Amino acid sequence: DAGITQSPRYKITETGRQVTLMCHQTWSHSYMFWYRQDLGHGLRLIYYSAAADITDKGEVPDGYVVSRSKTENFPLTLESATRSQTSVYFCASSEQVEETQYFGPGTRLLVL
Amino acid sequence: GQNIDQPTEMTATEGAIVQINCTYQTSGFNGLFWYQQHAGEAPTFLSYNVLDGLEEKGRFSSFLSRSKGYSYLLLKELQMKDSASYLCAVMDSNYQLIWGAGTKLIIKP
Repeated sequence: DAGITQSPRYKITETGRQVTLMCHQTWSHSYMFWYRQDLGHGLRLIYYSAAADITDKGEVPDGYVVSRSKTENFPLTLESATRSQTSVYFCASSEQVEETQYFGPGTRLLVL
Repeated sequence: GQNIDQPTEMTATEGAIVQINCTYQTSGFNGLFWYQQHAGEAPTFLSYNVLDGLEEKGRFSSFLSRSKGYSYLLLKELQMKDSASYLCAVMDSNYQLIWGAGTKLIIKP
């Protein structure tokens, strides 16, 4: 049982490039989330999704785009990467919105 | 605004007990979660409290007082593998998790 996976695990890109981070879960959880984690900050919610084709903004959505055409996948795209988007990105999922969230291994992104 | 406060760093000795505090001010309350995060890894779920009182799970216990906006995580019989960051998160009225910055726990032999 793979659970929740993310790819790539590490990514280096340049300012202005488009980058897509992938998230895949095998639990058929309804809810999926994208967070970023930066030193000195708590996890911050970027976007979340309640089901296929239903997405909503979190606390820090600017510069990011998401889609969810299939329940199991929830890609996050940085349309034009900026240095301030250097961070560790975690995908998470939960069966229902009020239930425990389970996290993927994370993607470390460096924007030069 | 919404705020979760927890100490930045704590040090404890192997075999001892440590208590990590978390205070919160949020728009509504739908439960409080504790996660453990080892360096370079993902957060993993430890405990959940929605009612006042103590929840015990092996060496780990978590306490909640909703009237005081306060929780603590109690770790007993500390082991070296407990060296990690401990994240406190509150689910607000919109069912979004508001996260503290985490407490880095250092265990010394």
